[in-house]
Amino acid sequence: GNSVTQMEGPVTLSEEAFLTINCTYTATGYPSLFWYVQYPGEGLQLLLKATKADDKGSNKGFEATYRKETTSFHLEKGSVQVSDSAVYFCALRRGAQKLVFGQGTRLTINP
Amino acid sequence: GAGVSQSPRYKVAKRGQDVALRCDPISGHVSLFWYQQALGQGPEFLTYFQNEAQLDKSGLPSDRFFAERPEGSVSTLKIQRTQQEDSAVYLCASSLGGLAGGDTYNEQFFGPGTRLTVL
Repeated sequence: GNSVTQMEGPVTLSEEAFLTINCTYTATGYPSLFWYVQYPGEGLQLLLKATKADDKGSNKGFEATYRKETTSFHLEKGSVQVSDSAVYFCALRRGAQKLVFGQGTRLTINP
Repeated sequence: GAGVSQSPRYKVAKRGQDVALRCDPISGHVSLFWYQQALGQGPEFLTYFQNEAQLDKSGLPSDRFFAERPEGSVSTLKIQRTQQEDSAVYLCASSLGGLAGGDTYNEQFFGPGTRLTVL
């Protein structure tokens, strides 16, 4: 079946550090890939997405590239801020079907 | 515009009680999903509606869980005889399109969730 594996957390970084959160997936066919973010006390929000191989999704300085050859969708940001502290979820979806989420990575950025 | 809303935001139930959780999707959204998010975990799919039809209930963990969307808008997730393992955040999401829609139509918008605690 379809599944998503995320880098184990929690992750703690200093402000302006470089961020990578690893995500790999197993899926039949060609899923769309997503990163969702959950800020403290808020609901899940879509951060970025990519719908086909080699697509790069980007938003708020975050980027992730759909790598079919390595079945990966790693999240990166060049310089993190305290406001980026949140829980990040990698997910996949095939068509209109359900989202399949990874277990989440809690990110804390210290000033 | 209004997003997905859920009520109540918090629910405390004694073991064995029945609970009902409500979801109001974005107006005009055809598809509605329920997910269960245990503490420290990612959301897991429970069930999916397209309009009033429940097309997939493969994620419902037991026959104590029941969901409905009788008029194709508001949905209710009911849990009978709650158990401690039912404690979780229950998330509702809606999307614009049905199965034939493109990627934009399939983007799911999430509500804030209902945190259920079973004592």
